[in-house]
Amino acid sequence: KAGVTQTPRYLIKTRGQQVTLSCSPISGHRSVSWYQQTPGQGLQFLFEYFSETQRNKGNFPGRFSGRQFSNSRSEMNVSTLELGDSALYLCASSLAFGGGGSPLHFGNGTRLTVT
Amino acid sequence: SQQGEEDPQALSIQEGENATMNCSYKTSINNLQWYRQNSGRGLVHLILIRSNEREKHSGRLRVTLDTSKKSSSLLITASRAADTASYFCATDSGTYKYIFGTGTRLKVLA
Repeated sequence: KAGVTQTPRYLIKTRGQQVTLSCSPISGHRSVSWYQQTPGQGLQFLFEYFSETQRNKGNFPGRFSGRQFSNSRSEMNVSTLELGDSALYLCASSLAFGGGGSPLHFGNGTRLTVT
Repeated sequence: SQQGEEDPQALSIQEGENATMNCSYKTSINNLQWYRQNSGRGLVHLILIRSNEREKHSGRLRVTLDTSKKSSSLLITASRAADTASYFCATDSGTYKYIFGTGTRLKVLA
């Protein structure tokens, strides 16, 4: 079974631009979660999608948004980029949503650098 | 906000030694998981322990959970250089999301 695929692997953007990240979950997984990882803040939960609906959201500004398609693939968008958005963005898929003891399967992330 | 705090933040040991890292959390949980992250890559699920379990084993891994102290420990026995990675605990408190700790960076010297 193919793992979680995130594209692109690396991105360099300028302040004020917007960016879209993509995540393809493991086949059969309907839940996709997004996390931001920085050295100072660790892993911070962004949001989770299940069956094309956002089920949970972390404490991030509205510049961070996402969506999920009928094939469970998910995209994350960050508008009006700020220097502080530089981070490793991780996507994870699982069978169930909202925890419940279902392990998360992570992609290798997209490294976003904002200059 | 972080639910789990791992301790120590960094750990350096010789190959063949045991490595122990701890995770403390703040609120009651349904389950706790441990993940490993190799440098610059995604996290890999290692083991899950439910709130009604006290100890669990998987290969060279041993996890304990003390809900009265709100803490868990991960023991890696007979460490190998390939175990060099960051280790994170993640808690499920019934809030429909996992909260990750700050991580322990383990370095195993050959």
